[in-house]
Amino acid sequence: QSALTQPASVSGSPGQSITISCTGTSSDVGSYNLVSWYLQHPGKAPELMIYEGSKRPSGVSNRFSGSKSGNTASLTISGLQAEDEADYYCFSYAGSVWVFGTGTKVTVL
Amino acid sequence: EEQLVESGGGLVQPGGSLRLSCAASGFTFSTYWMSWVRQAPGKGLEWVANIKQDGSEKYYEDSVRGRFTISRDNAENSLYLQMNSLRDEDTAFYYCARGQQLGHWGQGTLVTVSS
Repeated sequence: QSALTQPASVSGSPGQSITISCTGTSSDVGSYNLVSWYLQHPGKAPELMIYEGSKRPSGVSNRFSGSKSGNTASLTISGLQAEDEADYYCFSYAGSVWVFGTGTKVTVL
Repeated sequence: EEQLVESGGGLVQPGGSLRLSCAASGFTFSTYWMSWVRQAPGKGLEWVANIKQDGSEKYYEDSVRGRFTISRDNAENSLYLQMNSLRDEDTAFYYCARGQQLGHWGQGTLVTVSS
């Protein structure tokens, strides 16, 4: 199972919106509504930000939203803040196994 | 408060074995799938394996299938990962996580495979 494809880096200024893409295939992202997104600050464990494509766990800011079109899932961060600077990973069910994206480093300019 | 605490990491020679443990508290462990995820230093996340609530279903990433075994003890609220025939490329931080969609994570334990 190949890793899902994410851009290596995305940047934005405080207050702006950015979108991170996660491209898979019809065997994973395209077939199931089971994409989740994680934020990881340096030296820390990842944290769940979005699950089942667009649902936010309790406590996660509504500045984070998820969506999907075909084989590509997306995470949008609106009102970008300094604390959003981190690595972001998508994760999808692929039929009995699961696969992560390649990861995206978000920089707040 | 939900907590997952991994232990058992360390330095092991290629071809050796190691058993990781994950102690869970603050949630009803027996009602959740549980997962292991790893991250080589400076690299991305890689899903390793998961196990159903009653242990009746287990799934593995291709590169570890046949070498690693995931198990759990619901009476002890514990998750395990038995790792055999370890390779250099298995060097990573190993995290346990709650659920199939990894709702909560431990802080990880470092496994280093080196001669």
